[in-house]
Amino acid sequence: DGGITQSPKYLFRKEGQNVTLSCEQNLNHDAMYWYRQDPGQGLRLIYYSQIVNDFQKGDIAEGYSVSREKKESFPLTVTSAQKNPTAFYLCASRGSGFYEQYFGPGTRLTVT
Amino acid sequence: AQKVTQAQTEISVVEKEDVTLDCVYETRDTTYYLFWYKQPPSGELVFLIRRNSFDEQNEISGRYSWNFQKSTSSFNFTITASQVVDSAVYFCALESPEAGNNRKLIWGLGTSLAVNP
Repeated sequence: DGGITQSPKYLFRKEGQNVTLSCEQNLNHDAMYWYRQDPGQGLRLIYYSQIVNDFQKGDIAEGYSVSREKKESFPLTVTSAQKNPTAFYLCASRGSGFYEQYFGPGTRLTVT
Repeated sequence: AQKVTQAQTEISVVEKEDVTLDCVYETRDTTYYLFWYKQPPSGELVFLIRRNSFDEQNEISGRYSWNFQKSTSSFNFTITASQVVDSAVYFCALESPEAGNNRKLIWGLGTSLAVNP
C-alpha cells in the first residue's frame, strides 16, 4: 500500500531534549513538507523539500531542523530551542506534476 | 498578499441537514489553485478537491458539492444530507505563483463541523 507513515503517533519528552519525528513515504513523491498544527491556528509550514539534499525554511522554522538524504524520508528534529514544541505535527508529500499534497497520520508531541 | 478566510469557526447541525462551509480567498494572480481538505478526529488530512482558476464549473461528488465563483473570490463547500461521519474540521487552501516557485499552500484556519444524530 502506498502512503505516508509517521511515527510514533504520540511522543512525550522532557523540556530541554531534542526529539526527532519520522516521516516516510513510498509514493515516489519528490516534494515533502512538515506542518505544525495548534488549536485554532490551522496549519503552519515548518520546512519543505522539493528534492533530495535540498530543503527550505517555511514560516516557522526557528527551533526546528530537517534533513533530506533520501527521497523517501524527511525527518524533523524539534530542538530544545523551540519555545513551545507541544503540538500536532503533520508530514505531507506531493508528486511532480500534481498539485495536491497527501498527508500522513501525524505525530502528537507533548513536552513537559 | 495571499489569504484564505474561513469565517465560520464552528458549525453544528443535525443529521440530514444541508450545510455550507464558506471559503473566501485573496490573490493577485490570475492562475491559482484552490483545495478543500477534511481532517477527521483521527487527525490525518484527507484531500477532497482541487480546482484551478480557469475552471468555474461547479463540482458534485455524491453528497459533496463545491461552488467556485471568481467574481466573489469564493470557493464554498456544501454537504447535502449531512451524516455523523461528516463531523470533522474542513480546511480550504490556496496555491498561486505569488507564493513563489516553492508551491506552498496558504491555509484557512478551518471550520469545525459537528453533525449530531
